[in-house]
Amino acid sequence: EAGVTQFPSHSVIEKGQTVTLRCDPISGHDNLYWYRRVMGKEIKFLLHFVKESKQDESGMPNNRFLAERTGGTYSTLKVQPAELEDSGVYFCASSPGVAPGGTQYFGPGTRLTVL
Amino acid sequence: KNEVEQSPQNLTAQEGEFITINCSYSVGISALHWLQQHPGGGIVSLFMLSSGKKKHGRLIATINIQEKHSSLHITASHPRDSAVYICAVSSSSGSARQLTFGSGTQLTVLP
Repeated sequence: EAGVTQFPSHSVIEKGQTVTLRCDPISGHDNLYWYRRVMGKEIKFLLHFVKESKQDESGMPNNRFLAERTGGTYSTLKVQPAELEDSGVYFCASSPGVAPGGTQYFGPGTRLTVL
Repeated sequence: KNEVEQSPQNLTAQEGEFITINCSYSVGISALHWLQQHPGGGIVSLFMLSSGKKKHGRLIATINIQEKHSSLHITASHPRDSAVYICAVSSSSGSARQLTFGSGTQLTVLP
């Protein structure tokens, strides 16, 4: 069974540009999460999809971030326009089931550098 | 103050040593997770526990719900155990399923 995949693995862009990150969860996993680790800080929650619906987006830092999960399969996270403080590693995770607290399976992350 | 606190932040050990990493949390939880991240690698879930103790190979995780504390132990440590170990919790409030993370413990095991 394929794990969670993320694309690209690295992205270097200039301030003001747009970047789109993609996450393909494990097939059949209804729950999809986006997390972010900025330099020197702990990993922070961004948002949670259940199928194609946003269950919780309380962690999204501002309206420059837009996440979608059309059709309830893969998800994209767009940052537009990117700022320096957006640099970090963006992780995606997925999990099956409806009960809170289940095991989440993480992707390898996308390292975003904004210059 | 973070809702999940880990200690130590950095730990260097000699091969074969017994290692303990601690995690304290301040919120009600439905489960506590121990995760591992190797340099340049993704995050792997080691344990998910809500009570008692779990063991997998040389790794043991314990949790004390009353004291809101968990420990991850590594017996007979090996250089390949070198990684960042992260404690994370799932809240017990509402339908929250996202994880709240500690800052991680960088473990280096020397040969």
